[in-house]
Amino acid sequence: GAGVSQSPRYKVTKRGQDVALRCDPISGHVSLYWYRQALGQGPEFLTYFNYEAQQDKSGLPNDRFSAERPEGSISTLTIQRTEQRDSAMYRCASRLGSSLSTDTQYFGPGTRLTVL
Amino acid sequence: AQRVTQPEKLLSVFKGAPVELKCNYSYSGSPELFWYVQYSRQRLQLLLRHISRESIKGFTADLNKGETSFHLKKPFAQEEDSAMYYCALVPAGANNLFFGTGTRLTVIP
Repeated sequence: GAGVSQSPRYKVTKRGQDVALRCDPISGHVSLYWYRQALGQGPEFLTYFNYEAQQDKSGLPNDRFSAERPEGSISTLTIQRTEQRDSAMYRCASRLGSSLSTDTQYFGPGTRLTVL
Repeated sequence: AQRVTQPEKLLSVFKGAPVELKCNYSYSGSPELFWYVQYSRQRLQLLLRHISRESIKGFTADLNKGETSFHLKKPFAQEEDSAMYYCALVPAGANNLFFGTGTRLTVIP
C-alpha cells in the first residue's frame, strides 16, 4: 500500500464529545503504535499492539483513552468526554516485525485533534 | 526513568557549514538511540539508528555512553537538510520510543 494512513486528518470537536481516530497500518505489519504530540513537544508514546493484542498501554493518560485492534490490522483510538487538554497531533506508526532494533517504524500523517 | 534532552529548539547554519544537533539522554541501562526527521509536509521518518553505525544523507551519530550523548553531525549542511529532528531512545528490553522535544534545523542558502 501507500503507507500508514490515518483518518480523519483533522478533527474539531466540542468539549465533552467522544472521538474515534482511525489508523490503517501497512499491510502485514505486526506492530502498531499510537503517539500523541502536543505543540512544541516530541511524540509521546500512548500504547502499542502486536497483532490484535495490546502489549503496553502504560502511556494512556487516563481511562478516557482506549485503543483496540480487533482483527490485527486497523486500529481505533477512542477518547471519551474530550477535554481541551486533549488537543494534539495523534500519530500512528506500524512496523513489520516485533523488534525496534532491526525493523523500521513507519509513521502515518497524523490526526490533528482540536477540542473547543 | 528515561529522558531525552535536545537543548536547542532552533538551529540555523549556512549552507556548506558543519552542523551538529545535540542529544543527551538519562537512562541507567544500555539504551538504543535513534534520530527521526520530519521534512516540511512529510511524515516523521527514521533517519538513523546507533546500532547500525550507518551514515544516512551524510549524517552520522555516535553514541557516547560516558557523556550519555548521541549528537547528530554532518560536515557540510545542505538546504534540503532543513527539517525538524527528533532524538529518541528505547530502554533495554522495551519496545517503545521515548522522544526528545526536537530541534528545528534551518540551512540558510
